[in-house]
Amino acid sequence: DVKVTQSSRYLVKRTGEKVFLECVQDMDHENMFWYRQDPGLGLRLIYFSYDVKMKEKGDIPEGYSVSREKKERFSLILESASTNQTSMYLCASSSGRLSSYNEQFFGPGTRLTVL
Amino acid sequence: DAKTTQPTSMDCAEGRAANLPCNHSTISGNEYVYWYRQIHSQGPQYIIHGLKNNETNEMASLIITEDRKSSTLILPHATLRDTAVYYCIVRVYQGAQKLVFGQGTRLTINP
Repeated sequence: DVKVTQSSRYLVKRTGEKVFLECVQDMDHENMFWYRQDPGLGLRLIYFSYDVKMKEKGDIPEGYSVSREKKERFSLILESASTNQTSMYLCASSSGRLSSYNEQFFGPGTRLTVL
Repeated sequence: DAKTTQPTSMDCAEGRAANLPCNHSTISGNEYVYWYRQIHSQGPQYIIHGLKNNETNEMASLIITEDRKSSTLILPHATLRDTAVYYCIVRVYQGAQKLVFGQGTRLTINP
């Protein structure tokens, strides 16, 4: 069974802490994404990557950075966590092959609370 | 990506077919219709997609009208585990593209 896994389901951090959210996929997908989901705002794209060491800003990259050193792993970093970054964080991956259907496979999400 | 319109909520009895409509009147020729669902406290799950022909897989069927301005997702024998928010998305079929979820339809399956 194909999978996207995220390092934590629930995380509580303090304001100013550096936070790492890890995502791993086992489908050999080229594309990986980080979204956040907030009530009434839907899914918003933070960053995505279409290849190892490549990254592109999404709609709301401020306050975040990412790292993709290996194809299967995409990390989201909150340099200095703030209370407005309290949210559900969702990682997704999709195949970059032209023959793919481009559907995105999501992880279970990490609910981050910043106090 | 074309805008979609879905009902806010729907109810369906367990064991019955659940039919979820979606309007996408501004869809363009190279855009596909995708359906995802999100069960409470979980990540979204891909269900099915199509261009203009009806599609069926192990989860659902997708019926797209001939003019492609609307579609219906059919869960043939709904179970309690199908209770979720269902999202209809219209997008081009290429590249590393973000998903834009609207408000979706909150489907409740009743015993």
